[in-house]
Amino acid sequence: AQSVTQLDSQVPVFEEAPVELRCNYSSSVSVYLFWYVQYPNQGLQLLLKYLSGSTLVKGINGFEAEFNKSQTSFHLRKPSVHISDTAEYFCAVRVSDSNYQLIWGAGTKLIIKP
Amino acid sequence: ETGVTQSPTHLIKTRGQQVTLRCSSQSGHNTVSWYQQALGQGPQFIFQYYREEENGRGNFPPRFSGLQFPNYSSELNVNALELDDSALYLCASSSGGTTQNTIYFGEGSWLTVV
Repeated sequence: AQSVTQLDSQVPVFEEAPVELRCNYSSSVSVYLFWYVQYPNQGLQLLLKYLSGSTLVKGINGFEAEFNKSQTSFHLRKPSVHISDTAEYFCAVRVSDSNYQLIWGAGTKLIIKP
Repeated sequence: ETGVTQSPTHLIKTRGQQVTLRCSSQSGHNTVSWYQQALGQGPQFIFQYYREEENGRGNFPPRFSGLQFPNYSSELNVNALELDDSALYLCASSSGGTTQNTIYFGEGSWLTVV
C-alpha cells in the first residue's frame, strides 16, 4: 500500500531564510506527486506537481520541489520565505495506474518568525 | 478562487442525525471527489464520482454515500452521525475520469457532531 510521510509536523524559520519541507513516499509503482498549501480556514491550493520529465519542478509563490526516485522523496523548497507563507503544507501522491485517490501526508506547519 | 463552491460552510449536528453537504464543481469538470480532513491531519479520500457514477471509494463505511448530478454538482450524505465524523469535508473537482492530474478544492464544510 502507498503511504506518504512528512517528517516534520512544524518547521519554524526566520523571514527571508530558506526552507525545506520534507516528504517521503512508499510505492512499488510509478506515482504522481503533489504539494498543496492550506492557509488558515481555507481549502487546499495546488503549489506544484510532478507528473514526468524534469525532476525539478517549479510552482507558484517561488516554491520548487525535486523528485528523487532512488530516495522516494519529493522535498519542497523556497530560497527566501515571507510572512505570507505561513500555512500548512501537504504532500500527496497518486499512483499512476489508479484513476483516483490522492494519498496525503499529515501536513507540515510552516511558521515564519519575524 | 478555484471555482469549486461548497455549502454549508459550517454546521453543527447531533449524534445519530443525518447530514447532506453540497458541492458545485468548476465549470467543465466532470469528476468530483470528497475528502474528510480531521483536525491536525491530512485529508482522507472518501469517494469519487465520474459522470454520475461512483468510480472509487476509500475506507469509509456505507453510511457515507454520495450523488453526482447531470450538471456534475455533487452531494455527500452521512447517516447516523458519530462524534468522530467531526471534520472538514472537502470537495474537489477535476476534468477527466482517469487523468485528473490537476484537482481543484473548495474551501470545505466544517461539520461538528455533538
